[in-house]
Amino acid sequence: GQQLNQSPQSMFIQEGEDVSMNCTSSSIFNTWLWYKQEPGEGPVLLIALYKAGELTSNGRLTAQFGITRKDSFLNISASIPSDVGIYFCAGQNFQGGKLIFGQGTELSVKP
Amino acid sequence: EAGVAQSPRYKIIEKRQSVAFWCNPISGHATLYWYQQILGQGPKLLIQFQNNGVVDDSQLPKDRFSAERLKGVDSTLKIQPAKLEDSAVYLCASSLASGLSIQYFGAGTRLSVL
Repeated sequence: GQQLNQSPQSMFIQEGEDVSMNCTSSSIFNTWLWYKQEPGEGPVLLIALYKAGELTSNGRLTAQFGITRKDSFLNISASIPSDVGIYFCAGQNFQGGKLIFGQGTELSVKP
Repeated sequence: EAGVAQSPRYKIIEKRQSVAFWCNPISGHATLYWYQQILGQGPKLLIQFQNNGVVDDSQLPKDRFSAERLKGVDSTLKIQPAKLEDSAVYLCASSLASGLSIQYFGAGTRLSVL
C-alpha cells in the first residue's frame, strides 16, 4: 500500500531556532496535510495544501506542496517551548477521504 | 462547537477479552473514521463510514474487529477477542463529507492488552 517517509524521526533544538521537516511518497497525492499531536491528545490540523507548488503559512509555520505531488515540507520559524510535540504529515489521494500518515517527527525544544 | 467525543479514555484488558469503544462525532458531520495508532507510528485507518454505510473497511481485521454506526451519528468499535498486538490508541475522526473535507480527531482511547 501507499507509504509516507517522514524525516527526521526526532529533533532536539534550542528555543528560537528554525525547524524543517519533510515527507516523501512513492505515489502522488492530491492533498497534503500537516498535523500536530501532543501527549494524550488526537492530531490537530495545522496546515492543508491542495495544489502542487502551493506555499501556505499559519503564523510561524510554513508548508509547501511539492511540485511532483510526491512530497511536502513543513518549516517552523523561531521555535518556542509550546511547539513540542509530534508532527505528522498525511496524504489524501484521489480515491476518497482516507488519510495516509507518515511516522511522525518528534520535536523537543530546549528553553 | 463541541469536538469529537470518545470514551473511555483508557482501557486495560487481558488478552482474549472483549472491549468496546464509543465515538460521538461533531454535530452534522456525515463521515466518521476509526484509526489505530500504535506507539511510535502514525494513525492507520481501520474503517470509514458515510452516514451509516461503510465506505472503506479494507484494513479492518474482520475476524476480531467490528464497528457500527447504526443511526448515522455515534459509532462503536469492538474487538473480540483482543490480542497483545491490539495495544494502541484508537482514534475517532469526523468530517462534513468525504473527499477533501478536513478530518477532526478525538483524543482517543488508549488500550493496553496484557
